[in-house]
Amino acid sequence: QQQVKQSPQSLIVQKGGISIINCAYENTAFDYFPWYQQFPGKGPALLIAIRPDVSEKKEGRFTISFNKSAKQFSLHIMDSQPGDSATYFCAARIGTGGFKTIFGAGTRLFVKA
Amino acid sequence: DGGITQSPKYLFRKEGQNVTLSCEQNLNHDAMYWYRQDPGQGLRLIYYSQIVNDFQKGDIAEGYSVSREKKESFPLTVTSAQKNPTAFYLCASSQPGGVGTGELFFGEGSRLTVL
Repeated sequence: QQQVKQSPQSLIVQKGGISIINCAYENTAFDYFPWYQQFPGKGPALLIAIRPDVSEKKEGRFTISFNKSAKQFSLHIMDSQPGDSATYFCAARIGTGGFKTIFGAGTRLFVKA
Repeated sequence: DGGITQSPKYLFRKEGQNVTLSCEQNLNHDAMYWYRQDPGQGLRLIYYSQIVNDFQKGDIAEGYSVSREKKESFPLTVTSAQKNPTAFYLCASSQPGGVGTGELFFGEGSRLTVL
């Protein structure tokens, strides 16, 4: 019940296209849904995050769409660029009993020039 | 610069040996975490600590041990009991706030290879 399921496992997008990564969860105790970006050999870094009382959050070319009733959320990368090529992780944080953050399996994005 | 420092970056270990990975933070964060990363499995939580001298097991704690004697330090020991220790280990910290907060700040990781 604490799992976060992420798809697809890998994604190839043409430069200028839209990259879409989807995640689903079961536990309604999650109170914070971040997305992290990781480049090879580095630690992940926060990209954008949303709370469950908000349906959409946009920061530049990155948008999170959140569907509380369906327990799903997704990351949209508009006008994808080769520099966006990285691994993306969705995550969910349990706000009680220890503030654990659970991660999805990750999506390897490659943006073709 | 504020951040998380992990060392060593690369470590080789013979089977049956214990190894300790260092994690230091100067962000003055209360909470610290250890994650293990394997290809195709995302990040899995090993141990976490909300305050000094207290820590809890994560989802894959078997074969690992930690200590939290200082706020800025959270070392991880990979013991010989860990059956498959070859992995990329990530340390993180956060300042737990209210609902809807909790960004994790990660170090650059330590890659452990068992020979």
